[in-house]
Amino acid sequence: QVQLVQSGAEVKKPGASVKVSCKTSGYTFIGYYIHWVRQAPGQGLEWMAWINPKSGDTKYLQTFQGRVTVTRDTSINTVYMELSRLTSDDTALYYCARAIDRGDFDSWGQGTLVTVSS
Amino acid sequence: DIQMTQSPSSLSASVGDRVTITCRASQSISTFLNWYHQKPGKAPNLLIYAASTLQGGGPSRFSGGGSGTDFTLTISNLQPEDFATYYCQQTYTVPWTFGQGTQVEIK
Repeated sequence: QVQLVQSGAEVKKPGASVKVSCKTSGYTFIGYYIHWVRQAPGQGLEWMAWINPKSGDTKYLQTFQGRVTVTRDTSINTVYMELSRLTSDDTALYYCARAIDRGDFDSWGQGTLVTVSS
Repeated sequence: DIQMTQSPSSLSASVGDRVTITCRASQSISTFLNWYHQKPGKAPNLLIYAASTLQGGGPSRFSGGGSGTDFTLTISNLQPEDFATYYCQQTYTVPWTFGQGTQVEIK
């Protein structure tokens, strides 16, 4: 079955960077875009970025332009999301999700909690 | 960016009730509208895509409708496992945006 398994929780200081991984299995890795969506504590969902695992092409939300980088390693079916220059506003659960079409997310990772605190 | 507005923000209902959640887009999005539900501590789950198509394996008590700017999610015969937060999402144009959520609570 389709599975997306994310790396564990992180605690970072303001100004630092964090890199979250999303290991996929159960389907053809290069056949589906992977997206990143975050959810601040008690808040709603915010789409951040996507990557086309086949080509490596990416698209980022303008808000994060210059701070987020999404990459993939096709040899291990894994996608990475790196967010730099962290502030307390970046404290959130970060999800990876597979898109079956456009932004239709049919499978999600379990989420990675990133806490930014001095 | 397209703004998505859901109403109500929360509602209380009983098992067996019929509930309707609405979602309005700030511009026409045709039928590029999805619904997700999310339980505490869990990732969202795709319920309906393309405004009215039930995601495979989804219970038939969920139905979606609408096009353009106004959409609805209806849950008939509310079940205990349906108490959750529901989000609409537009996929008409990037950036994909979500509504703020509607929390369905037990009365």
